[in-house]
Amino acid sequence: EDQVTQSPEALRLQEGESSSLNCSYTVSGLRGLFWYRQDPGKGPEFLFTLYSAGEEKEKERLKATLTKKESFLHITAPKPEDSATYLCAVQGDTGGFKTIFGAGTRLFVKA
Amino acid sequence: EAGVTQFPSHSVIEKGQTVTLRCDPISGHDNLYWYRRVMGKEIKFLLHFVKESKQDESGMPNNRFLAERTGGTYSTLKVQPAELEDSGVYFCASSQDMSYRNTGELFFGEGSRLTVL
Repeated sequence: EDQVTQSPEALRLQEGESSSLNCSYTVSGLRGLFWYRQDPGKGPEFLFTLYSAGEEKEKERLKATLTKKESFLHITAPKPEDSATYLCAVQGDTGGFKTIFGAGTRLFVKA
Repeated sequence: EAGVTQFPSHSVIEKGQTVTLRCDPISGHDNLYWYRRVMGKEIKFLLHFVKESKQDESGMPNNRFLAERTGGTYSTLKVQPAELEDSGVYFCASSQDMSYRNTGELFFGEGSRLTVL
C-alpha cells in the first residue's frame, strides 16, 4: 500500500534559520512526488513535482530533493511568511491518478 | 481566471440529515477530484471524475456518499444520512488533461467544512 510519512510534525524556526523537512514514502512505481503548501483555512497550493531520484527543484527559498525512499524540502533563510503546513504526496503507477498525502509538517517562522 | 470554488464553506447539520457540497472546477479542467481531511488525519482521496465519468471511486467510504458531475462541469457530493464520523473538511481539486508525465499539479478549492452533531 502506498504510504507517506512526514517529519517533524511541527517545526519552529527563527527568521533566517535554515532547516529541512523530511518525507519518507513507500510506493509501487513512483509516478511523481509532490510538495504542497497549505495556509490555515485554505486549500493546498502546489509547489513542486519530482519524478526520479536525484532530481531537484527550486522556488525562491525552497528547494526539494528526491531519493528512492525520501524527499527533503530545504528552506533557506526562512521568513515569517513561509509559515504554513507543508504537505508531501505521491502518485504510484498502479493507483490510477489518486494522490496519497502525508499528514504534513507545520512550520512556524518567528521574526 | 477563477480558481476552484466550493460551497458551502461551512455546514453544521444533525446526525441523520442530508448535506450536499458543490464544487466548480477551473473552466476547461476535465479532471475533478474530491478529497477529505478528518480531524488530525491526512488528506485522503475520495474519487476522481474525468469529465462526467467516474474514473476511480475507490476512496468513497460507503454508500451514504454519492458524487455526481452532470455535464462534466460542476460536481456535487451528497452525504445521506450524515454520521458523526463524516465531520471534516471536504476538498475539491481539478487538473488539466492527464499525460504520461503528469505534472501532478492539482488546483484545490478552499474546502467545505462539515460538522455533524
